[in-house]
Amino acid sequence: AQKVTQTQTSISVVEKTTVTMDCVYETRDSSYFLFWYKQTASGEIVFLIRQDSYKKENATVGHYSLNFQKPKSSIGLIITATQIEDSAVYFCAMRDFNTGANTGKLTFGHGTILRVHP
Amino acid sequence: EAAVTQSPRNKVAVTGGKVTLSCNQTNNHNNMYWYRQDTGHGLRLIHYSYGAGSTEKGDIPDGYKASRPSQENFSLILELATPSQTSVYFCASGDPYEQYFGPGTRLTVL
Repeated sequence: AQKVTQTQTSISVVEKTTVTMDCVYETRDSSYFLFWYKQTASGEIVFLIRQDSYKKENATVGHYSLNFQKPKSSIGLIITATQIEDSAVYFCAMRDFNTGANTGKLTFGHGTILRVHP
Repeated sequence: EAAVTQSPRNKVAVTGGKVTLSCNQTNNHNNMYWYRQDTGHGLRLIHYSYGAGSTEKGDIPDGYKASRPSQENFSLILELATPSQTSVYFCASGDPYEQYFGPGTRLTVL
C-alpha cells in the first residue's frame, strides 16, 4: 500500500528566505507521480507542482521547486524568497500507476504548517 | 468562476439523521472524489467516481455512501450520522495529473 509521510509538523521562517519541506513516500510501483498542494487559511486547497518519477529533472514552477531523490524515496518542496502569503499548510501526495492510473487516486501526507513572518 | 462547488458549506446534524453533501463541477472531468480532513490525519479518501453512474470505495468508506448521477454531480450520503463523522469534507474533480478542490463543507454531528 502507498504511504506518504511528512515529518515536519510546522516550520517558521523569516520572509524572503528559502524553506524546504520534507516528504518521503512508499510504493511498490516503479512508475508514480508526486504532488504538492497548498491549503490557505481560508481552507482553499490548490495544486502547486508535480514530479513524474521517470523524470530526472526536478520540477520548477515559479518560486516553487522540488528536490526529487528517488533512491531515498524523497520529494522535498523548496520555496525560495518566501512571502507572508506563503503561510499555509502544505500537503505532499502520491499517485502510483497501479492504484491511480485511470482514477487519479491520491494518497496524502498529514501536512506541514508553514508560517512566514516579517 | 469556481469550477467545483459544494453545498451546504456548513451543516449541523443530529445523531442518527441522514445527511447529504452535494458537489458540482464544471471542469468536465470524469473523476470526482470525496475526502474528509481531520486534524492529524490530513486528507483521507472516502469515495471516488470515474464517471456518471460509477462509485468506488476509497480508504475510509465505512458509514458513507456516494452517488454520481451525472458527469457534473457527486453526492456523499451519511445514512445514519454519528459524532465521529464530524469533520470538514472536500470534494474534488480531476484528471490523472491534477485535482481541483471545492471550498469544503464543515459538518457537525451532535
